[in-house]
Amino acid sequence: ETGVTQTPRHLVMGMTNKKSLKCEQHLGHNAMYWYKQSAKKPLELMFVYSLEERVENNSVPSRFSPECPNSSHLFLHLHTLQPEDSALYLCASSQRGQETQYFGPGTRLLVL
Amino acid sequence: GDSVTQMEGPVTLSEEAFLTINCTYTATGYPSLFWYVQYPGEGLQLLLKATKADDKGSNKGFEATYRKETTSFHLEKGSVQVSDSAVYFCALITMNRDDKIIFGKGTRLHILP
Repeated sequence: ETGVTQTPRHLVMGMTNKKSLKCEQHLGHNAMYWYKQSAKKPLELMFVYSLEERVENNSVPSRFSPECPNSSHLFLHLHTLQPEDSALYLCASSQRGQETQYFGPGTRLLVL
Repeated sequence: GDSVTQMEGPVTLSEEAFLTINCTYTATGYPSLFWYVQYPGEGLQLLLKATKADDKGSNKGFEATYRKETTSFHLEKGSVQVSDSAVYFCALITMNRDDKIIFGKGTRLHILP
């Protein structure tokens, strides 16, 4: 079961393109997360939003720009990406003070 | 800092075999421990969790016991099925650390019919 949706599920983009990934949670949570999952590295936490404020930015390059307009939606804006940015980008949500995070299915990104 | 170490994969077993995936952790404070599973083409799903020492989490025939003395949370299943083929992640969270989950690198499991 998942109350977290992500679109698109697959994305191919050139290095000069601008695109956005979207995440929506239907669980009434107040914290949302972006993770990067690539083949050769463990899950990397990129950004954390709590109560719509960014509380974590794990040294992510500025070509990734998150946006959290409300507690149910989270975006990741992409521009001038590099081929090494190709990965599965996972969104998750949780209720602050509770431990379990709920993940979306991810967006598989390929940068050419 | 806090960390999770789990056995390298891939692990390949025949159907109905006994499964153990080892996980050990280091943490200051009193973490809660999790196993998440990622089936092909999907995101992570919580499989089971334990919040204090000696707790046993269980779900879908999988079990793991929070062992504080050995700082371990090994995942076990008595008889695996082909449908258990997935990547399994051990993880911890310490609630005074801004709710940040620390994941292990994941262990890929292949079950052969």
